[in-house]
Amino acid sequence: DAKTTQPPSMDCAEGRAANLPCNHSTISGNEYVYWYRQIHSQGPQYIIHGLKNNETNEMASLIITEDRKSSTLILPHATLRDTAVYYCIVRLFYNFNKFYFGSGTKLNVKP
Amino acid sequence: DGGITQSPKYLFRKEGQNVTLSCEQNLNHDAMYWYRQDPGQGLRLIYYSQIVNDFQKGDIAEGYSVSREKKESFPLTVTSAQKNPTAFYLCASRAGQNLTFGSGTRLTVV
Repeated sequence: DAKTTQPPSMDCAEGRAANLPCNHSTISGNEYVYWYRQIHSQGPQYIIHGLKNNETNEMASLIITEDRKSSTLILPHATLRDTAVYYCIVRLFYNFNKFYFGSGTKLNVKP
Repeated sequence: DGGITQSPKYLFRKEGQNVTLSCEQNLNHDAMYWYRQDPGQGLRLIYYSQIVNDFQKGDIAEGYSVSREKKESFPLTVTSAQKNPTAFYLCASRAGQNLTFGSGTRLTVV
């Protein structure tokens, strides 16, 4: 599976959009991009995933560049409850047992 | 409500003792997983099971054992052979493409 690179931490003002970047320059054509988040001392929570096209759900939007070498998770109106570690994961679509969680990005939402 | 229950939330054991962590799910998921998380680190896969009576080693299986006698249950035993067992342990299950996690058990070995 492709390796991902994320900044270790980011700050965001409450009510503003949070844009979390992820680099996955070695991604292959059949690898999905997943995002999970982990609030302190809890289990990770699924946010969104995509292959090529941009995706949106009730929690967030996922923007994948045309060359698929990077992506951005967007939380449109961050709240204090969005403070968490966000993990970007790349996984082969058939390899359900290989979810590699790196160190992620600690998002600090500030009042 | 459907979900994954891990118990207990906090567990203390003396060095050299085996300890079993419980994981129960009522989501009717076939696949279940155990991960370990150390402070400031990501998650590492210990064991996984895709079906009852079958399980596979993950990336850090040494010093751990599991069983899968029932679809709902996937207990993890941390044996005395595990050199550094103090960690946060997370159980997950999967249906389709997404993992659903429990709230974790924090094990401290003294």
